Amino acid sequence: DAGVIQSPRHEVTEMGQEVTLRCKPISGHNSLFWYRQTMMRGLELLIYFNNNVPIDDSGMPEDRFSAKMPNASFSTLKIQPSEPRDSAVYFCASSRSGGVPPIAQHFGDGTRLSIL
Amino acid sequence: AQRVTQPEKLLSVFKGAPVELKCNYSYSGSPELFWYVQYSRQRLQLLLRHISRESIKGFTADLNKGETSFHLKKPFAQEEDSAMYYCALSRAGYSSASKIIFGSGTRLSIRP
Repeated sequence: DAGVIQSPRHEVTEMGQEVTLRCKPISGHNSLFWYRQTMMRGLELLIYFNNNVPIDDSGMPEDRFSAKMPNASFSTLKIQPSEPRDSAVYFCASSRSGGVPPIAQHFGDGTRLSIL
Repeated sequence: AQRVTQPEKLLSVFKGAPVELKCNYSYSGSPELFWYVQYSRQRLQLLLRHISRESIKGFTADLNKGETSFHLKKPFAQEEDSAMYYCALSRAGYSSASKIIFGSGTRLSIRP
């Protein structure tokens, strides 16, 4: 299994541009999580999905952020318009829920986003 | 409120010395506790979980419900242990998706 796959690995763009981050979860996992990691705030959960349905988006910082999961094998996190303070590493993670105990999350390599 | 507290942002110890990374939690129920590790510029990886009661890379962690703690320990630190360590919890025995709450992380630095 290739694990959780994120793309791009690095993204550098100018403020005001739209940014789309992509994630492919591990096959068979039905829960998907988006995190943001910064030096100042550590690891923050932005949103998570279960069976393609958003369950908790309370961590999404602003309306500029949106996430979708159109099918079980793909999710996007979009920032529009982007701002320099959005610069961070964005991680996607997946797990298989419905089991007892809960299955640990598996993380992707992350997307390092720099907004100039 | 559900919360995971890692009081130390940075912990620096000499190679061969014992290591203890502190983690305290606040949770009104029966939690499952994890430790994740992130080596430099790599993805987060699960290090261990309390339910497995295992030792990974020489690390162990015991859940102390009385003190609501899940400290990570290793008797003799090695240079390759230098990394960022996150303590995390989720609801145990939950049948559908349950988010994991992460602590703010502790950077462990092993000095030669």
